[in-house]
Amino acid sequence: KNEVEQSPQNLTAQEGEFITINCSYSVGISALHWLQQHPGGGIVSLFMLSSGKKKHGRLIATINIQEKHSSLHITASHPRDSAVYICAVSRNYGGSQGNLIFGKGTKLSVKP
Amino acid sequence: DGGITQSPKYLFRKEGQNVTLSCEQNLNHDAMYWYRQDPGQGLRLIYYSQIVNDFQKGDIAEGYSVSREKKESFPLTVTSAQKNPTAFYLCASSMDHYNEQFFGPGTRLTVL
Repeated sequence: KNEVEQSPQNLTAQEGEFITINCSYSVGISALHWLQQHPGGGIVSLFMLSSGKKKHGRLIATINIQEKHSSLHITASHPRDSAVYICAVSRNYGGSQGNLIFGKGTKLSVKP
Repeated sequence: DGGITQSPKYLFRKEGQNVTLSCEQNLNHDAMYWYRQDPGQGLRLIYYSQIVNDFQKGDIAEGYSVSREKKESFPLTVTSAQKNPTAFYLCASSMDHYNEQFFGPGTRLTVL
């Protein structure tokens, strides 16, 4: 079983829809990251959070430490939001402390 | 403009040849990383460096080597010992090992 699991793997939405991408993890963490990867391959960091909720524009990220679960929400989705969204966690134990463990990503396609 | 540059964007090499991928950052970050991305898999850590003249192996270091002689530069050499080198390689940097990471545009390596 992967230490970081994302769902769904693929998601197609109509422009304007509210979108939720989920991330569950099974290890102790110091922080959780949400990243966005565009078709060209470049990756942009969206959020780094260790508790509660963060908002940036139409993007909202939440984390529940007790349940080891995080969600990324996109409000009023737009075709330019089409990308792969990646969840990653920073280990908080052992010799690999601070290293990131990545999920496989959720491919989002927003249709006009 | 501050950022991370990787060169070249596309690289072709023959089996048995070593090849070096470049990564430069002007963000004054102490920590730098090399990741490998394969289709259908999450990013995996090859090597990382928390400070100049020091680096550590990641999860898949076999067949790779790095150096960190300057703060701005963290080149990755893919040696002929790497059995399956065809992949997308991403470099990243962060203020320190526990902070948000910033990614370069990536180098797509194909072994012919």
